[in-house]
Amino acid sequence: GDSVTQMEGPVTLSEEAFLTINCTYTATGYPSLFWYVQYPGEGLQLLLKATKADDKGSNKGFEATYRKETTSFHLEKGSVQVSDSAVYFCALSDQGQGGKLIFGQGTELSVKP
Amino acid sequence: DAGVTQSPTHLIKTRGQHVTLRCSPISGHKSVSWYQQVLGQGPQFIFQYYEKEERGRGNFPDRFSARQFPNYSSELNVNALLLGDSALYLCASSLDGITSTDTQYFGPGTRLTVL
Repeated sequence: GDSVTQMEGPVTLSEEAFLTINCTYTATGYPSLFWYVQYPGEGLQLLLKATKADDKGSNKGFEATYRKETTSFHLEKGSVQVSDSAVYFCALSDQGQGGKLIFGQGTELSVKP
Repeated sequence: DAGVTQSPTHLIKTRGQHVTLRCSPISGHKSVSWYQQVLGQGPQFIFQYYEKEERGRGNFPDRFSARQFPNYSSELNVNALLLGDSALYLCASSLDGITSTDTQYFGPGTRLTVL
C-alpha cells in the first residue's frame, strides 16, 4: 500500500541555518505530494504542494521538488527562523483518492536564537 | 472567510462511554475527512464523506462511525471508548475529495482524553 517515510527528529538548528527534511514515498499511482506544518496546540496548515513530477512547491521561503525518479519530496529552507519551530508532515494523496491523505510520522523542528 | 470549525475543543470521557465530535467545512466544500492523531505520530485516515455518502474508510473498528448532513457538516461517533482512543481528532474539508490535487484544509481538532 501507499506510504510516506520522513527523517526522524527532533531536528535542532540555529537561527539562519539551512534546513532539509527528507521525505520519500511509495504509491501505486501518480500521487500529489504535500507538506503540512503543525504549530504547538494547533491543527495542520498546508505549507506547500506539488501535483506532478518535477513540480516545485514553494511558500514562506520553503521549497520542495517532486522527484519521481527518486520518489522523494524533500523540504528545504535557506535560512530558518525561531518562528519556524513546529512539526512538519509530508503527505500524499493518490490518484482518485483526493479525500484521503497518507502522512509520514512527522519531524519536529526546533530553531534556537 | 471562516475556516474549518470543530467542536468541542476538548473532551474528557471514561472507558465504555460514547462520544460525538462535530465539524463544519469551509463554505463551498462538499467533502469532509476525519483523521486520528495520536501523540507523536502522523494523522491516520478514518473516514471520508462526500454528498452524504461514505467514500472511504481507514483501518478502524466498527466502533467508529460518521455521517454527513445536507449542509455538508459532519459528525464522528465513537462507541465503547477505550484508553487507546485518546487522541487529537482532526476534520478536513476539500472541494470534491476526488482528484488527488484537491487540497484538504484542516480544523483545529478536538482533543479527546479517555480515562
